[in-house]
Amino acid sequence: EDQVTQSPEALRLQEGESSSLNCSYTVSGLRGLFWYRQDPGKGPEFLFTLYSAGEEKEKERLKATLTKKESFLHITAPKPEDSATYLCAVQGNYGQNFVFGPGTRLSVLP
Amino acid sequence: ETGVTQSPTHLIKTRGQQVTLRCSSQSGHNTVSWYQQALGQGPQFIFQYYREEENGRGNFPPRFSGLQFPNYSSELNVNALELDDSALYLCASSSGTGVVTEAFFGQGTRLTVV
Repeated sequence: EDQVTQSPEALRLQEGESSSLNCSYTVSGLRGLFWYRQDPGKGPEFLFTLYSAGEEKEKERLKATLTKKESFLHITAPKPEDSATYLCAVQGNYGQNFVFGPGTRLSVLP
Repeated sequence: ETGVTQSPTHLIKTRGQQVTLRCSSQSGHNTVSWYQQALGQGPQFIFQYYREEENGRGNFPPRFSGLQFPNYSSELNVNALELDDSALYLCASSSGTGVVTEAFFGQGTRLTVV
């Protein structure tokens, strides 16, 4: 059974204080790993798709990396508007669906 | 902002009633997936529709059913509502049934069962 865990559960940062969020996964053949941002009461907003170990993608202050067992979402010099829940999901070889982790709730204080 | 729209945005139903939620997929996408997200948890896969056929189902009982129409919009129906069905229901729009390159979510429907 495909599984995704995320850590930490919650993270509080000061504005400008860089950090990383972790996503660990077990999957029966990885088709893709996805990062989403979700604001309270809203649908997830697509950030990145990663397909193979060693791949990296960047968008503004965010950078996602992938290994064979985990992915990291690095946040450089965050701003208060980066506060949200960050969700990680995987698509395995035997399904068309995503398996999501529980998310990391990020708060960036001014 | 994505081209995926869901209606209604909020809904309150009584236990035992039936509900229908709707989703319009993004232009060019022919696959719609439905997810249930309880408060403080990640989304859980309900089922997926591809070209009007169910193409995979998660661990949800048969009282959760769906449809996809020729224009690729979709409905989620839930019969005999239970209190635990209270959640944010999300639909995701993508293309094809192989490796997903991107999947865009709607804003969700918040269902409260009382």
